[in-house]
Amino acid sequence: QKEVEQDPGPLSVPEGAIVSLNCTYSNSAFQYFMWYRQYSRKGPELLMYTYSSGNKEDGRFTAQVDKSSKYISLFIRDSQPSDSATYLCAIRFTGGTSYGKLTFGQGTILTVHP
Amino acid sequence: NAGVMQNPRHLVRRRGQEARLRCSPMKGHSHVYWYRQLPEEGLKFMVYLQKENIIDESGMPKERFSAEFPKEGPSILRIQQVVRGDSAAYFCASSPQGPGKYGYTFGSGTRLTVV
Repeated sequence: QKEVEQDPGPLSVPEGAIVSLNCTYSNSAFQYFMWYRQYSRKGPELLMYTYSSGNKEDGRFTAQVDKSSKYISLFIRDSQPSDSATYLCAIRFTGGTSYGKLTFGQGTILTVHP
Repeated sequence: NAGVMQNPRHLVRRRGQEARLRCSPMKGHSHVYWYRQLPEEGLKFMVYLQKENIIDESGMPKERFSAEFPKEGPSILRIQQVVRGDSAAYFCASSPQGPGKYGYTFGSGTRLTVV
């Protein structure tokens, strides 16, 4: 079983739609949760960061964490064609020798068409 | 602020040659992380370095791969005797201190092609 599972998609939605992206993880020792956006041929760009269960909102983006279910989500409201990219969830331990390591999901390819 | 700078952007090597990938962290950042992205796969952690120290190399292949972050100059990821399976995008990230409550800033990557 992979430590982090993410549906690779691809996901295609019309402009203005609400997008839901999800990841599940297996190790309850994971404590920090991030979402990155990666455009083609570019490096990942940090979108959202959270370390507690619940919701965190930033503009059109909402990150949701449910530690009891080991489930994290990213919601994009009023999606735009410029949101078309690969979205990666990333999770990190808080301690031990691997505290610097981010464990990534496979990434979900999102296309928002006009 | 120039961000995390990686060079070269593209690197072509023949099987058996050496590949040297360079990463200059953001100004003021003293922690560097290397990741590899294989086709159809997510980003995989390779190594975490501070200046003159390897903190965690649990993701590094046991042979042919090495990394350093000297007191002066960029971090270097070195791959000796490259094979076709080393073809991938290699990303470097940096942070100002240790992994705190924030994610890392990534560079645009070096795309290595082994022919």
